[in-house]
Amino acid sequence: KNQVEQSPQSLIILEGKNCTLQCNYTVSPFSNLRWYKQDTGRGPVSLTIMTFSENTKSNGRYTATLDADTKQSSLHITASQLSDSASYICVVSPYSATNKLIFGTGTLLAVQP
Amino acid sequence: NAGVTQTPKFQVLKTGQSMTLQCAQDMNHNSMYWYRQDPGMGLRLIYYSASEGTTDKGEVPNGYNVSRLNKREFSLRLESAAPSQTSVYFCASSETSGRHYEQYFGPGTRLTVT
Repeated sequence: KNQVEQSPQSLIILEGKNCTLQCNYTVSPFSNLRWYKQDTGRGPVSLTIMTFSENTKSNGRYTATLDADTKQSSLHITASQLSDSASYICVVSPYSATNKLIFGTGTLLAVQP
Repeated sequence: NAGVTQTPKFQVLKTGQSMTLQCAQDMNHNSMYWYRQDPGMGLRLIYYSASEGTTDKGEVPNGYNVSRLNKREFSLRLESAAPSQTSVYFCASSETSGRHYEQYFGPGTRLTVT
């Protein structure tokens, strides 16, 4: 069964620190892997989209990496800010059903002053 | 540009009541989607419309119907609401349904069925 699993479930860090969120997936073959940020009470917002042939993609202080061999991705946040407090969701697009994205349950990040 | 808008923001229904969730996008996108988000679960696709005039079932379509009214609008109807349909509903749109197109999400509708 196609699955996307994220760890940790939740994380608390101090403002200014870095952190890395993990995503493991079983979807194969896949078309792309996405990371979304979802603020409380809001809809998800795209951070990065990586095709299966890309290893890394950055968006400001957010850097996503992809290892298609081990089926793992990570999202690294540099110099965290209070506004980074949100849920971060890993999403995989199956190659055979690109409309039917498979969402992880997210990592809830809290950045404290 | 407002992006993707959804109405209402909140709704409480009694079991058996019906309602329609509205979604509109002003980005001239061809594809639109309805998802539900439940605690401890990832977003799940209910229905999608790859282009105006077409709709297809997603992962959890039972108990729902959709209408692609025009290119801008995509509505989701609950004919006879059940407590299991208590959820947050998100509408999304993308330029097309192609492989690498970004989906843009609305703010969500929080629905409670008692």
